[in-house]
Amino acid sequence: EPEVTQTPSHQVTQMGQEVILRCVPISNHLYFYWYRQILGQKVEFLVSFYNNEISEKSEIFDDQFSVERPDGSNFTLKIRSTKLEDSAMYFCASSGTGAYYGYTFGSGTRLTVV
Amino acid sequence: KQEVTQIPAALSVPEGENLVLNCSFTDSAIYNLQWFRQDPGKGLTSLLLIQSSQREQTSGRLNASLDKSSGRSTLYIAASQPGDSATYLCAVDRDNYGQNFVFGPGTRLSVLP
Repeated sequence: EPEVTQTPSHQVTQMGQEVILRCVPISNHLYFYWYRQILGQKVEFLVSFYNNEISEKSEIFDDQFSVERPDGSNFTLKIRSTKLEDSAMYFCASSGTGAYYGYTFGSGTRLTVV
Repeated sequence: KQEVTQIPAALSVPEGENLVLNCSFTDSAIYNLQWFRQDPGKGLTSLLLIQSSQREQTSGRLNASLDKSSGRSTLYIAASQPGDSATYLCAVDRDNYGQNFVFGPGTRLSVLP
């Protein structure tokens, strides 16, 4: 069964450093998403991406965050200057035709900011 | 603003029991509802997707129902097993383009051998 792949599985970074989280969505999917889950809290929507541009973003997705699809297979989330409160599990997801047929999530990247 | 709640927050049952997990949402204008399973420290595994025109979906021992008018969904697990122990999340989507998939807080299930 096709999978969404995320790398790395765990990243530790110092406060103020830039991090890039990487995702390889399912190859024929067109919609891509990032969600995050702070430990013990709900999964929260960050951003959706379609046709090489952001289609929607939440209030969490401020100027510190950016997304990019640099080639035909990767989808990245960049955090420019990490803060302690950015520590969370970050999930990438993809969908073929919007959410009508559901999302497939990756296994997540646990980001720890120290 | 869509709010999703799940009851109970935690549940512990002996192996073999049938059980029901509940999900409620405040805005009935949804297109889809999806149930996920999350193991500790792991990703989200999709269990069942119910589109707004459907009333239920079944997969093996799992059955999910949707009542849009009352803003409720239930996940029924038959003959529970220790391997079913995980957190179960429901999520609702507001439109066909995947925006604002809103998650509930989850129900943490423990099935005791």
